[in-house]
Amino acid sequence: QVQLQESGPGLVKPSETLSLTCTVSGGSIGSYYWTWIRQPPGEGLEWIGYFYNSGSTNYNPSLKSRVTISADTSKNQFSLKLTSMTAADTAVYYCATVRGGYNWGFTDWGQGTLVIVSS
Amino acid sequence: EIVLTQSPGTLSLSPGERATLSCRASQRVTTSYLAWYQQKPGQAPRLLIYGAFNRATGIPDRFSGSGSGTDFTLTISRLEPEDFAVYYCQQFGISPWTFGQGTKVEIK
Repeated sequence: QVQLQESGPGLVKPSETLSLTCTVSGGSIGSYYWTWIRQPPGEGLEWIGYFYNSGSTNYNPSLKSRVTISADTSKNQFSLKLTSMTAADTAVYYCATVRGGYNWGFTDWGQGTLVIVSS
Repeated sequence: EIVLTQSPGTLSLSPGERATLSCRASQRVTTSYLAWYQQKPGQAPRLLIYGAFNRATGIPDRFSGSGSGTDFTLTISRLEPEDFAVYYCQQFGISPWTFGQGTKVEIK
């Protein structure tokens, strides 16, 4: 069972860049699709993108111009950077895993971290 | 982009009753790539069903998934008190991966 833990600032100013890190325990970065998902308060879930297998990434077109997902395999961490933050980016941000193969589902989740965009 | 439309928006039922939740896709989704999640207030979502009908580890057998093509269903055979929550369907078939808007199952 993989455990995930998000970390990063809870408050970001408009126009600034959000940086979040997900620390993975119980598994190796190279095995799965390492993903970020967000959920604005009281709303549904939005997939942001993933990092997979030595550098392959895929992003939601709605955020593609502003998002970068990367991994540090030496630390068993993967990260999200989202530039030009606005109030519309206020949300709980989750990291999650997808194993692929015969198991297509977001199997493991972090507890989520609330990010508020405000001056 | 595949749009997933869930119905109803809210389902009001009593413990012990059967819940039937629908998820309709704007394009065909391969069954391997359709999943269902449960989310309770203040918690991360939990994977219930993957591949349209496979229960995830530790999920009770009162939860079942069915369907194919563009129409999928999550059934809870007999609602337990802990089942009152929001349920989401989600697809991996075509990028971007998308979620339905959710169905809230509330106590009647």
